[in-house]
Amino acid sequence: EVQLVESGGGLVQPGGSLRLSCAASGLSISSNYMRWVRQAPGKGLEWVSVIYRDGATYYADSVRGRFTISRDNSKNTVNLEMNSLRGDDTAVYYCARDRGGGGKIFDIWGQGTMVTVSS
Amino acid sequence: AIQLTQSPSSLSASIGDRVTITCRASQGITSALAWYQQKPGKAPKLLIYDTSSLESGVPSRFSGSGSGTDFTLTISSLQPEDFATYYCQQFTTYPAFGGGTKVEMK
Repeated sequence: EVQLVESGGGLVQPGGSLRLSCAASGLSISSNYMRWVRQAPGKGLEWVSVIYRDGATYYADSVRGRFTISRDNSKNTVNLEMNSLRGDDTAVYYCARDRGGGGKIFDIWGQGTMVTVSS
Repeated sequence: AIQLTQSPSSLSASIGDRVTITCRASQGITSALAWYQQKPGKAPKLLIYDTSSLESGVPSRFSGSGSGTDFTLTISSLQPEDFATYYCQQFTTYPAFGGGTKVEMK
């Protein structure tokens, strides 16, 4: 069974840092396009970042310069390093497989991990 | 950037009803649209991709159509498990989602 499992969420103070991980089973992270999508409480979905099969990375304007996406092929995980966190970063963070890499088909999702930025 | 506006933002319907949700783009879309279903506390689930292709395992009562700026998701006969929030999604320079449509029980 193909599965994505996020971890690393929690409560962090404004200006702090947090590292999220997404562990994959049943699929190879390095052979896929992997994205992070977040959802603020009671709000809609917002794309955050992507790492392509060739390792290229892209970010939403709202997180560029503060967040870094990476992957660990040996552990089959994709990570999201979040720095300079702000209140509006509070959200459930999902990792998702982008089937085909076109940014149009997110067919496998993790269960999400909650990040709360508050003093 | 293209904005996706869903209407209505919420609707009330009964079991067996035909439900139509609209997603309007701020400018013409040349690439395809996807639709997702999300239940409370759960991750989104892909229903439709490439505007009208049904994802494997998704019941055939779900269908998608549209072109240009106007797209629709139709549930032909609403079932109890269909009460959820639905999002459209499109990619231009980056993936963008509509604001969601919550389908509630009448």
